[in-house]
Amino acid sequence: EVQLVQSGAEVKRPGESLRISCEGSGYSFTNYWIAWVRQMPGKGLEWMGIIYPGDSNTKYSPSFQGQVTISADKFISTAYLQWSSLKASDTAMYYCARSRDAYTVGIAFDIWGQGTMVTVSS
Amino acid sequence: EIVLTQSPGTLSLSPGERATLSCRASQSVSSSYLAWYQQKPGQAPRLLIYGASTRATGIPDRFSGSGSGTDFTLTISRLEPEDFAVYYCQQYGSSSYTFGQGTKLEIK
Repeated sequence: EVQLVQSGAEVKRPGESLRISCEGSGYSFTNYWIAWVRQMPGKGLEWMGIIYPGDSNTKYSPSFQGQVTISADKFISTAYLQWSSLKASDTAMYYCARSRDAYTVGIAFDIWGQGTMVTVSS
Repeated sequence: EIVLTQSPGTLSLSPGERATLSCRASQSVSSSYLAWYQQKPGQAPRLLIYGASTRATGIPDRFSGSGSGTDFTLTISRLEPEDFAVYYCQQYGSSSYTFGQGTKLEIK
């Protein structure tokens, strides 16, 4: 079964760092782009960025460039989203999602992780 | 950045009726890069349509997508109780994705 499994919910203080993960299985992780999508409470979907695990080629949304870092370890089939200094406004559900076609960016996301809820509060 | 505007914001219909959801882009979008998703409360989004009109694996044929350029439509021919959810369109262009703000399809 093709799936993405994300790390568990996190509760952090403002200013703390955090890395959440997304592990792929059931397919060739190296060959499919993985995106990160934010959903703030009660709001819509926002694309944050995308990475190609094969060579770590990464593209960021202008809204998130410099605010987060996306990385991947192809040897353990895992993508990451990290923050160096969290803010209360980072409170949201974060999803990873796989690009539908191997090698190709842009053709929609067909497999989604279950989501990781990040809560930032003092 | 291409902005996607979905209408209506909320659509109230009854099971068995036809639903028509609109997605308008601020500039032309390649049909290859236009997708639709369904999201139910507490769940991750699910891909319904990609390439503007191709149903994803396992999606019932009551769902159909159409359109080109700046105007795209998702149609649900006969609503089933499980179809009441939020629907998002998404596009890719200039190395960036954007989502529409969503249309909530609710039971009348």
